[in-house]
Amino acid sequence: KAGVTQTPRYLIKTRGQQVTLSCSPISGHRSVSWYQQTPGQGLQFLFEYFSETQRNKGNFPGRFSGRQFSNSRSEMNVSTLELGDSALYLCASSPGQGVSPLHFGNGTRLTVT
Amino acid sequence: GESVGLHLPTLSVQEGDNSIINCAYSNSASDYFIWYKQESGKGPQFIIDIRSNMDKRQGQRVTVLLNKTVKHLSLQIAATQPGDSAVYFCAENAGAGSGYALNFGKGTSLLVTP
Repeated sequence: KAGVTQTPRYLIKTRGQQVTLSCSPISGHRSVSWYQQTPGQGLQFLFEYFSETQRNKGNFPGRFSGRQFSNSRSEMNVSTLELGDSALYLCASSPGQGVSPLHFGNGTRLTVT
Repeated sequence: GESVGLHLPTLSVQEGDNSIINCAYSNSASDYFIWYKQESGKGPQFIIDIRSNMDKRQGQRVTVLLNKTVKHLSLQIAATQPGDSAVYFCAENAGAGSGYALNFGKGTSLLVTP
């Protein structure tokens, strides 16, 4: 079974631009979560989607948004990029019913210059 | 606010020794805990999990211990191997209702020396 796939692997953007990251979950998984990882703050929860609905949201500004499609694939968008948005963005999936381990992709490394 | 924290940022052990990585949590309502391993350039990889109605769970070469009285979680790795060198994170489920949101610790770097 294929794992969680994130594209692109690396991105370089300029301040003020926007970016869209993509995630394909493990087949059959209906929950997709997004996390931001930085050296200073560690791993921080952004949001979780289940059956195309946002079920949980972390403490990030409204510039961070996401969505989930009917095939469970998910995208997250960051608008008006700031230097501090430079991070590794990780997507994780799980079956979605009850708690079970999240399975992470290898992330998208975003650099904002 | 409530958070998950780690006692030691780095741990160096000799190959073949047992490793113990500790984690303190402060949310007494947490009911699910997970340990992850992250190697350079990769996403976190699931190691083992434990629910709050248990105090010990064993996997292959790994054991997780949960002490709810002192809100402490530990990961024991038996016969540590060079391939175990990585950053280890503990995490607790902080999601509300049926949602799922992991609160991660800062991580412990494990270095296995020959």
